[in-house]
Amino acid sequence: GQQLNQSPQSMFIQEGEDVSMNCTSSSIFNTWLWYKQDPGEGPVLLIALYKAGELTSNGRLTAQFGITRKDSFLNISASIPSDVGIYFCAGLYNFNKFYFGSGTKLNVKP
Amino acid sequence: NAGVTQTPKFRILKIGQSMTLQCTQDMNHNYMYWYRQDPGMGLKLIYYSVGAGITDKGEVPNGYNVSRSTTEDFPLRLELAAPSQTSVYFCASSYSGVKQDSFNQPQHFGDGTRLSIL
Repeated sequence: GQQLNQSPQSMFIQEGEDVSMNCTSSSIFNTWLWYKQDPGEGPVLLIALYKAGELTSNGRLTAQFGITRKDSFLNISASIPSDVGIYFCAGLYNFNKFYFGSGTKLNVKP
Repeated sequence: NAGVTQTPKFRILKIGQSMTLQCTQDMNHNYMYWYRQDPGMGLKLIYYSVGAGITDKGEVPNGYNVSRSTTEDFPLRLELAAPSQTSVYFCASSYSGVKQDSFNQPQHFGDGTRLSIL
């Protein structure tokens, strides 16, 4: 299967700080998705990216589809306690299967 | 809105037992998927289906079977449970796109089934 390297693995930040995380691969992906997972629940879609270079925002979240199509990043601005959770990237490979990163665990101190 | 519903939420099995994890969706999505999530890891695709009567293997299919007799339901079967199958299992569904062949539509997930095999 394809490897998606997601970093960092975990982050401890103060409320109000900005956060950045990314996913990289040696393979080209056709679509990038970013999900958030709260404890005991399934992943919930945050942002979908469909074209290389695309920059998309959803409230305080901004994500970009890397120009090489091998990476994507997610930024969260002015973090708040409810941002706590695990964030996953997912890349569509060969137009027919999504592969997931191992997640970034975000902790926000009030 | 129900979305994707998985049952049971929790289950403990003994080695060698069998069970079926249920998944149903009410969004009329053609595509459905089963993933497993091991601690500290991302999701790995077990099986998927592009429509009723059609299923295909994902990344980690060994030890599992699926069927898709209706658009709504996509059960996952474990025939001989092994400790390595202890995991959280997620079912997901997605719209197949305007052209009816697009895998790039976002997947909607259920809340998972936590399975322990002892």
